[in-house]
Amino acid sequence: SQQGEEDPQALSIQEGENATMNCSYKTSINNLQWYRQNSGRGLVHLILIRSNEREKHSGRLRVTLDTSKKSSSLLITASRAADTASYFCATGLNSGGSNYKLTFGKGTLLTVNP
Amino acid sequence: NAGVTQTPKFRVLKTGQSMTLLCAQDMNHEYMYWYRQDPGMGLRLIHYSVGEGTTAKGEVPDGYNVSRLKKQNFLLGLESAAPSQTSVYFCASADLSRRHQPQHFGDGTRLSIL
Repeated sequence: SQQGEEDPQALSIQEGENATMNCSYKTSINNLQWYRQNSGRGLVHLILIRSNEREKHSGRLRVTLDTSKKSSSLLITASRAADTASYFCATGLNSGGSNYKLTFGKGTLLTVNP
Repeated sequence: NAGVTQTPKFRVLKTGQSMTLLCAQDMNHEYMYWYRQDPGMGLRLIHYSVGEGTTAKGEVPDGYNVSRLKKQNFLLGLESAAPSQTSVYFCASADLSRRHQPQHFGDGTRLSIL
């Protein structure tokens, strides 16, 4: 079953605006990661936030994590047409021994209009 | 540095045929994963491996087998293809010698079963 659920499923904005995507999950995690997928390509890692962190920045990306609410948000500031892609959150959990796995949500399709 | 390479990129099979998807990584990663991506479903884990000679079942393993004979290669086999296995298959690898590391993805294999 899916661990993460992104909201909204689709988002359309104008270039220069900010885009916010949310992710909710159900169980405990070691970390939460965000990935981008351009059409027809594989997933590219954007940012990882550990369960004991609350906020992290990377360039135009800002990620927050609220473990009490089991939720995360990804903010992309000053969006560009090249940011058009699907964005996935993934929760990382070591379930014992060497069994480390990611569980992905269904993604948010972001369209940035020029 | 190629990263994660998947072959073939596209394939059309008839029901009942068999085939093997190959994933190769040149980053000396211990962990490798096979996912399938279906519309509206996000990524679902099929099988994974935590090292050479080891494999384990993921969320949707039925109808698939895997082998990890060499550290750099992870093979996904379909013994008797079914239309329900029409999907895009992604391979990923990760270096989990340190905690909190991302997964690195290939560009996928688009498989159609007629």
